[in-house]
Parts: sequence; C-alpha cells; structure tokens
Amino acid sequence: DTGVSQDPRHKITKRGQNVTFRCDPISEHNRLYWYRQTLGQGPEFLTYFQNEAQLEKSRLLSDRFSAERPKGSFSTLEIQRTEQGDSAMYLCASSQTLQETQYFGPGTRLLVL
Amino acid sequence: AQSVTQLGSHVSVSEGALVLLRCNYSSSVPPYLFWYVQYPNQGLQLLLKYTSAATLVKGINGFEAEFKKSETSFHLTKPSAHMSDAAEYFCAVSNWDNQGGKLIFGQGTELSVKP
Repeated sequence: DTGVSQDPRHKITKRGQNVTFRCDPISEHNRLYWYRQTLGQGPEFLTYFQNEAQLEKSRLLSDRFSAERPKGSFSTLEIQRTEQGDSAMYLCASSQTLQETQYFGPGTRLLVL
Repeated sequence: AQSVTQLGSHVSVSEGALVLLRCNYSSSVPPYLFWYVQYPNQGLQLLLKYTSAATLVKGINGFEAEFKKSETSFHLTKPSAHMSDAAEYFCAVSNWDNQGGKLIFGQGTELSVKP
C-alpha cells in the first residue's frame, strides 16, 4: 500500500493556460474523489468517480474543469483557460467502498499568475 | 443540506494541557462524522470517525471525540497536548445513503502548542 499519489506537487502557470493534474489512488480502490482547498478554508468537494464512471460534479466545477478516470485506475483533472481564482490546493482521495475511509494524497498546489 | 461549523479558527494551548476543538454539524439524516488533521503542505490524515456505533470514538495519537445528537456536536479532545499536535484540524460530515460519500468540511481550526 503506497498511498494516494498526486503529480505534480506544485504548478505555476500563467492565466489562460491549460493545466492537467494526475491522481493515482490506492490500488483496488473503486472510489476516487477530487477536492479543492483555498487558503484558510476546508476542502470543498469537486467530483467523484466509482470505477470509471463520474457520478457527481459540484456546481463549483465550471465548464473549464474536466475530470476523467479512463480505466478506473488513475484520474486526471484538467483546467482550461486558467484564472487567478483557480489558485488552490487540489486534493485527491480514494476509498475502497462507499463506507470505507477516504485516504488523501499530498495535493497539487496550483498558482495562477 | 449538510454543513459543519468549527468554532474558533485558532486554538492555542500549552504543552501538557487539554486540547478541545469544537465542531457542530447540521444534517437532516443521521450523519457520519470525521476528524482529519493536516500538517503543512501535506494532505489530510484521518484521526477518527463516527459511523453510528459507539458515541465515544477513539482515534490515533490519543485523540477522541464524542457524538452528541442532542447538541449536534462532535468535539475533538486530547487530555495532554504534545508539540507534535500542532497542525490544522478539520471536522467533516458525510451521508453515505444519498450523497455518494462526499465529505463536507468545516473551515478548520489551527492548533498551536506552546512549550
């Protein structure tokens, strides 16, 4: 069990650029969640997958955001045409089933200049 | 809708003193409640969770929390603070029945421990 990993750990980009983050969940975890955490706030739910199916998207997730989990393993979160308000820590979590604990990755910190 | 309120964005205690971090929740259905800890530049680590079994829940690192339905509270305590307890603590609520297990977090409480 190597834990949830996220890549990159840090990303600095210019406004208007596209960025993509990757999350590798714990092996055999069926559920994968994305959260966003801004400075001084608790994490906010963005979206989640059960296997490869994206089952819910938060209203926080504008059309510029898209997430995939193509084979039910790793997931990617893409932000198109980044804005300064997108600057945040993006956290990924996974769990084996609905009732099991969500294990969090170290996060990707995004800074949009 | 579910929500969580953490009273006090900053709590400071002396080493060896009691730690009390407050959390109140709002939920129209029986909630599942969690406390997570976050160290600087790291992800969240689960301290403990309440899932409708015993109302007094013991977690890692000597922490425990008590679910009080009448007060809609789930306060986190530790009898004796250690310097290594300094971190950000988040209370969260979830509803497995129809919310897909997503966590709704409070705004967090930063715990400082003075020598």
